[in-house]
Amino acid sequence: EVQLVESGGGLVQPGGSLRLSCAASGFTVSSNYMSWVRQAPGKGLEWVSVIYSGGSTYYADSVKGRFTISRHNSKNTLYLQMNSLRAEDTAVYYCARSPSLSYMDVWGKGTTVTVSS
Amino acid sequence: SYVLTQPPSVSVAPGKTARITCGGNNIGSKSVHWYQQKPGQAPVLVIYYDSDRPSGIPERFSGSNSGNTATLTISRVEAGDEADYYCQVWDSSSDHLLFGGGTKLTVL
Repeated sequence: EVQLVESGGGLVQPGGSLRLSCAASGFTVSSNYMSWVRQAPGKGLEWVSVIYSGGSTYYADSVKGRFTISRHNSKNTLYLQMNSLRAEDTAVYYCARSPSLSYMDVWGKGTTVTVSS
Repeated sequence: SYVLTQPPSVSVAPGKTARITCGGNNIGSKSVHWYQQKPGQAPVLVIYYDSDRPSGIPERFSGSNSGNTATLTISRVEAGDEADYYCQVWDSSSDHLLFGGGTKLTVL
């Protein structure tokens, strides 16, 4: 079964760091485009970052320089390292698969990040 | 930067047709994808490449894209279609993925 399972969310103070993980099963992470998408409470979807199958990475302006997307091929896992966290980073974070650089056909259930003192 | 505009809400009676629009400059030249999100759940792809339906999505869901507007059409609306719907494109000029602001579909 094709599946994505996020983990690593939690409560963190402003300025702190957190690393999210997204374990994939039923397909190979490194053969796909993989994205992180977030949703602040009561708000819409916001794309955060993507890693291409070839390894290139891109970020939304709101997180560029603070977040880093990566993957571990042998663990078939996607990561999002989040540094210098702000209150506005509070959201449910989803990982998603794109078989081509277009739509996202598989989504995880999300992990919640709360940035608060 | 490229912007996608959706109406905040659309209301429709059961059995009728709902149309949710997604506006963008010359959006007809881009591929548009649509997601359904119910409360507390992850988004689900319902239309990709303007008008293709993933397996398992009812034929009642269809899409079109031309000029400055893409449209998600839901025929014979059911209570279970009540959800938030988001359009999405890939902006190749910035290598950014973009979502519309979302439309809340209410079934009266």
